[in-house]
Amino acid sequence: EVQLVQSGAEVKKPGESLKISCKGSENSFTGYWIAWVRQMPGKGLEWMGIIYPGDSDTRYSPSFRGQVTISADMSITTTYLQWSSLKASDTAIYYCARHRSGRSTNHQYLFYYMDVWGKGTTVTVSS
Amino acid sequence: QSALTQPASVSGSPGQSITISCTGTSSDVGGYNYVSWYQQHPGKAPRLMIYDVSNRPSGVSNRFSGSKSGNTASLTISGLQAEDEADYYCGSYTSSSTLYVFGSGTKVTVL
Repeated sequence: EVQLVQSGAEVKKPGESLKISCKGSENSFTGYWIAWVRQMPGKGLEWMGIIYPGDSDTRYSPSFRGQVTISADMSITTTYLQWSSLKASDTAIYYCARHRSGRSTNHQYLFYYMDVWGKGTTVTVSS
Repeated sequence: QSALTQPASVSGSPGQSITISCTGTSSDVGGYNYVSWYQQHPGKAPRLMIYDVSNRPSGVSNRFSGSKSGNTASLTISGLQAEDEADYYCGSYTSSSTLYVFGSGTKVTVL
């Protein structure tokens, strides 16, 4: 079965570090990009960034560059989203998703749509 | 990069058809046929409903259809059912540094 399994809910204090995970089945991981999406309480979806686990090529949305780090360990088909110093504003649900993609005629990656989603990891940051 | 513009809410009675719009620019919706639509029920993860403007993944009801004209994409739900009540988001590839952008989201209410 194609699936992405995310780590459990986290409750942290401001300033603490955190690393959450997203483990894919072999057929949901190999040859695909994996994206991370934020949903703040009562708000919409925000695309944070994406990684190709095969070679760890990583791209960030400008809003999230420098705020989080996306990484992967292909040997265990897992991607990670981490913070070095959490803020209260990081409180949200974080989803990983398999992102279908292609290449343009000038070899630029085009990210089409997300067809497999994890169930989400709730991160609560509060003093 | 601002989110794509969607109406905050759309409602309809059971059996009716409704349409949700998604307006972007020539850098995203208007420039590429890579618009997708996602359904999200409360407390659940998003689910892909439409990809590449008008294609339905396996398992999605044919009551859901997508189209595009210029910088505006649309999702139409025909034969509205109670189970269609959810939030809907459009998404698109963008040539900006953002790479991918979501719409602001539309809450669909079945009266």
